[in-house]
Amino acid sequence: NAGVTQTPKFQVLKTGQSMTLQCAQDMNHEYMSWYRQDPGMGLRLIHYSVGAGITDQGEVPNGYNVSRSTTEDFPLRLLSAAPSQTSVYFCASSRLVGGNYGYTFGSGTRLTVV
Amino acid sequence: RKEVEQDPGPFNVPEGATVAFNCTYSNSASQSFFWYRQDCRKEPKLLMSVYSSGNEDGRFTAQLNRASQYISLLIRDSKLSDSATYLCVPNTGFQKLVFGTGTRLLVSP
Repeated sequence: NAGVTQTPKFQVLKTGQSMTLQCAQDMNHEYMSWYRQDPGMGLRLIHYSVGAGITDQGEVPNGYNVSRSTTEDFPLRLLSAAPSQTSVYFCASSRLVGGNYGYTFGSGTRLTVV
Repeated sequence: RKEVEQDPGPFNVPEGATVAFNCTYSNSASQSFFWYRQDCRKEPKLLMSVYSSGNEDGRFTAQLNRASQYISLLIRDSKLSDSATYLCVPNTGFQKLVFGTGTRLLVSP
């Protein structure tokens, strides 16, 4: 199993550009989510999904869109990049195992918006 | 009030030392917790889950004190590789885990 795979690992965007951060998991996890982490701060939830076709907003959803057409994939779209979106983005997935919602994270995408 | 509060540290300890972190939480309904570790510029990785009975995994022991609403993580015989940030996370069960900034540990030779 590859676990949770994020691409790209690094990206530089110009202000106003759009792009999609990819996230795929091969563990048949129902739950997937996107977090961002800014320097010296904890992870903040952007969007999450409890299954294919179901998504919901987290703490900081503005400027981002998501969709979940398959169990495996949960892409994050930046609509019009802004310098404030410079951050490290982590995708995570989980499943219910005896009530334990432990997350598996991808290795992250480091995004710089100039 | 924050859902969890941790001393940001850093905790500086020599190799072989025993070190303990505490994490206080505000939601008395929280039934279980996770300890994650995050290395610099890397993704968080699950260290262990903590239930009312506590948990032990090798050099790591976690305890949950419901009366005082805190969780502890004890690391025995610290290794250089234990240097990381340790995150205490309430298991809300709603797929919206809240991560704080954690406690930073530095183990020196």
